[in-house]
Amino acid sequence: KAGVTQTPRYLIKTRGQQVTLSCSPISGHRSVSWYQQTPGQGLQFLFEYFSETQRNKGNFPGRFSGRQFSNSRSEMNVSTLELGDSALYLCASGLDGTGTEQYFGPGTRLTVT
Amino acid sequence: GIQVEQSPPDLILQEGANSTLRCNFSDSVNNLQWFHQNPWGQLINLFYIPSGTKQNGRLSATTVATERYSLLYISSSQTTDSGVYFCAVRSNTGGFKTIFGAGTRLFVKA
Repeated sequence: KAGVTQTPRYLIKTRGQQVTLSCSPISGHRSVSWYQQTPGQGLQFLFEYFSETQRNKGNFPGRFSGRQFSNSRSEMNVSTLELGDSALYLCASGLDGTGTEQYFGPGTRLTVT
Repeated sequence: GIQVEQSPPDLILQEGANSTLRCNFSDSVNNLQWFHQNPWGQLINLFYIPSGTKQNGRLSATTVATERYSLLYISSSQTTDSGVYFCAVRSNTGGFKTIFGAGTRLFVKA
């Protein structure tokens, strides 16, 4: 069974631009959650989706948004990029998200210049 | 919200030594996982262990949910064990989200 895939793997953007990251969960998994990892703040929860519905959102500004499609694939979008958005963005998939094991993708490394 | 604390923050071992990493959490959880993050950033699942004890080769883990802590044991460490170990918990008290500890950075010397 294929693992969690994320595209693109690396991305360089300019301050003020917007970016869209994609995550395809493990086949059969219906929950996708997103995390931001920076050296200063560690791994922080962004949001979680289940059956196309956002179930929870972390403490991030409204510039961070996401969605989930009917095939469980998910995208997150960051608008008006700031230098501080430079980070590794990780997504995880789970069967149903209530308490089952989560599996992570390889991440997208975003650099904002 | 739930707090997760990992100790020690840094650990340096000689190859072949044993170690214990600790994860304390402030509320009841319905999911606890241990991960190893490799140098490329990939989080590798080690254990899904909301309670009880599990073993996988040289690694084992124990979670005592009633006392709100989990331990990860690494025996006969190897240089390939180097990296950052994260504990992550999930509590539905604050909604559906997973909270990570700050991690333990392990370096195993040859």
